Amino acid sequence: GESVGLHLPTLSVQEGDNSIINCAYSNSASDYFIWYKQESGKGPQFIIDIRSNMDKRQGQRVTVLLNKTVKHLSLQIAATQPGDSAVYFCAENRRQGGKLIFGQGTELSVKP
Amino acid sequence: GAVVSQHPSRVICKSGTSVKIECRSLDFQATTMFWYRQFPKQSLMLMATSNEGSKATYEQGVEKDKFLINHASLTLSTLTVTSAHPEDSSFYICSARARGWQETQYFGPGTRLLVL
Repeated sequence: GESVGLHLPTLSVQEGDNSIINCAYSNSASDYFIWYKQESGKGPQFIIDIRSNMDKRQGQRVTVLLNKTVKHLSLQIAATQPGDSAVYFCAENRRQGGKLIFGQGTELSVKP
Repeated sequence: GAVVSQHPSRVICKSGTSVKIECRSLDFQATTMFWYRQFPKQSLMLMATSNEGSKATYEQGVEKDKFLINHASLTLSTLTVTSAHPEDSSFYICSARARGWQETQYFGPGTRLLVL
């Protein structure tokens, strides 16, 4: 069925390096995407979002890229820090005001 | 801003008892709240969507008589797990979406339920 999926379930990076977490979505009608960070035992924390009329959006140390042609979403974290270690989820919203569909998650591990 | 709280953060109960979990939006009015369930090492699974003043909409496979949801005000939604069994043990997370904020959902810290 339709879903939002991730290419890599785990990702290990060295402190200071850049991290890239990928996400594929299957529904071309999706119009809004969100990246969440979830630390162990806690609820998801909003990181950054992007609408389908944009290709790129930047935040503090994070950038989200959206490629609608291949239905691909990525989260780039610059100068990754140990505090960035967590599970990252992408989520898509398939219509305005609708419910979010979550991907499987990628566990990011930052080595000091 | 956009703070969502849950209470309790952790609960242990005996099989057959009922447990109520509260979800509150602390600094905004939430027209819609969502309840999710998450098993270890898995993604979030939406259980139901709760709109203030109306009945909740449950996802397929979620028993509405077992998971009672009440959204009595714009800042409070409750999830009651009735006659809990060990298989109901899980991490329950709520999220809230404010009027005018369209799709952005902000999540609570979660409630860990253990049914013995």
